[in-house]
Amino acid sequence: GQQLNQSPQSMFIQEGEDVSMNCTSSSIFNTWLWYKQDPGEGPVLLIALYKAGELTSNGRLTAQFGITRKDSFLNISASIPSDVGIYFCAGQLWGSSNTGKLIFGQGTTLQVKP
Amino acid sequence: DTEVTQTPKHLVMGMTNKKSLKCEQHMGHRAMYWYKQKAKKPPELMFVYSYEKLSINESVPSRFSPECPNSSLLNLHLHALQPEDSALYLCASSLTVGEKLFFGSGTQLSVL
Repeated sequence: GQQLNQSPQSMFIQEGEDVSMNCTSSSIFNTWLWYKQDPGEGPVLLIALYKAGELTSNGRLTAQFGITRKDSFLNISASIPSDVGIYFCAGQLWGSSNTGKLIFGQGTTLQVKP
Repeated sequence: DTEVTQTPKHLVMGMTNKKSLKCEQHMGHRAMYWYKQKAKKPPELMFVYSYEKLSINESVPSRFSPECPNSSLLNLHLHALQPEDSALYLCASSLTVGEKLFFGSGTQLSVL
């Protein structure tokens, strides 16, 4: 089945530093989504990307949909302690029996040192 | 209202029990989903409902039985579960299938 390779697996950074994480796939996706999840809670949608090459910002977060439609990255600028959590990329499939299936990366665990 | 509400927040059940998880949204979304998530792993799709009809079942064991009584509600009926079924069960909804998903806060299930 389809898999997303998300890296890095974990990051431990100093408050104020910028963060970058990415996802790659052997399959083409029509939509890329980025979520943040806190322990014991559900994933919260951060950014949704719909077009190849699209660059979208949400506050200190910026994400891009790769030109090949097989990759995406998320940047967090000037990190703060509340950025701590697990970040998941997710690619959405279309077509026949696949429409509705969201494939998740393995997650990037972010820790921020004050 | 942009929330997906799940109840209960926590559930402990024995292997012979029957219980149900409930999910509700009032965003007018016509697609609803059940995901299962083990600790430190990504969510795994279980079921997709589109316009109250089951459209995807990811080969989930029959001890999990989904139900979509109307466009706002989604249930997951549990019967004769195994300890390895212990996990965080997440409900999600989207405007239609293929649109961005919004997740609830989940039900943490423990099977003893």
